[in-house]
Amino acid sequence: DVKVTQSSRYLVKRTGEKVFLECVQDMDHENMFWYRQDPGLGLRLIYFSYDVKMKEKGDIPEGYSVSREKKERFSLILESASTNQTSMYLCASSHTSRLLASGNTIYFGEGSWLTVV
Amino acid sequence: DAKTTQPTSMDCAEGRAANLPCNHSTISGNEYVYWYRQIHSQGPQYIIHGLKNNETNEMASLIITEDRKSSTLILPHATLRDTAVYYCIVSTGANSKLTFGKGITLSVRP
Repeated sequence: DVKVTQSSRYLVKRTGEKVFLECVQDMDHENMFWYRQDPGLGLRLIYFSYDVKMKEKGDIPEGYSVSREKKERFSLILESASTNQTSMYLCASSHTSRLLASGNTIYFGEGSWLTVV
Repeated sequence: DAKTTQPTSMDCAEGRAANLPCNHSTISGNEYVYWYRQIHSQGPQYIIHGLKNNETNEMASLIITEDRKSSTLILPHATLRDTAVYYCIVSTGANSKLTFGKGITLSVRP
C-alpha cells in the first residue's frame, strides 16, 4: 500500500519560532508536494519538488521554504512562524509519468494541524 | 489547467446511488478528469480518473460526456462513510500538479 507519513499530527508553536514539518514516502516517488488547507479556501499548493534538491514555488510560497535532500523525504520549513500560518498542512507524492496518456495520481498524508500562538 | 464547477453540496440516502456532477467546459484534449475525496480531518484520497472513456473501479464509476465538457462520479451504493467533500479536478497530469477547488460536500443520510 502507498504510504505518505507526516511526522506530526498536531503541533502548537509560538510566533517567531522556526518550524519543521517532515514528510516521508515509501513508494520511490519522484514528485512531492506541500499544500495547506484552510476553511473556505480549499487546498493551496505551497511548494513542490520533482527530484532530489529540486524545488519549485507553488501558489503561496511566501513565508515558507522546503528541503529535499533525499528522494523519500520532503520538509516544509516556516522560518519565523506567524499566526496566519495556523492551518492544516498536507504532504503528497506521486510518480512522474513519462506517458501522459496514463494520467497520474497523487497520494496524500493524513495532515499536520499547526497552531501558531 | 482547466477550471471545474461543482454544486456546493448534495445529499443522498444510504444504499442509494450518489451521482456527483462536474462541469469542465474548457477542458483541452490532453487533460484528464480526476476525482478525489476528503473525509473530515484526513488527507484527500484518490478515487478515479479518466480521459475520454467511462471508467469503473472498486470505489466508483466515472461517466464522461462525449464532448468531455462534463462528467459524473457515481457511488453505486452510498454508505454513511462516504460522507465527505468530493473534488473534481482537470489536469494534464504532467508532474502531477493538481489544483483543488472547493469541491462538493456529499452528506449520506441513514
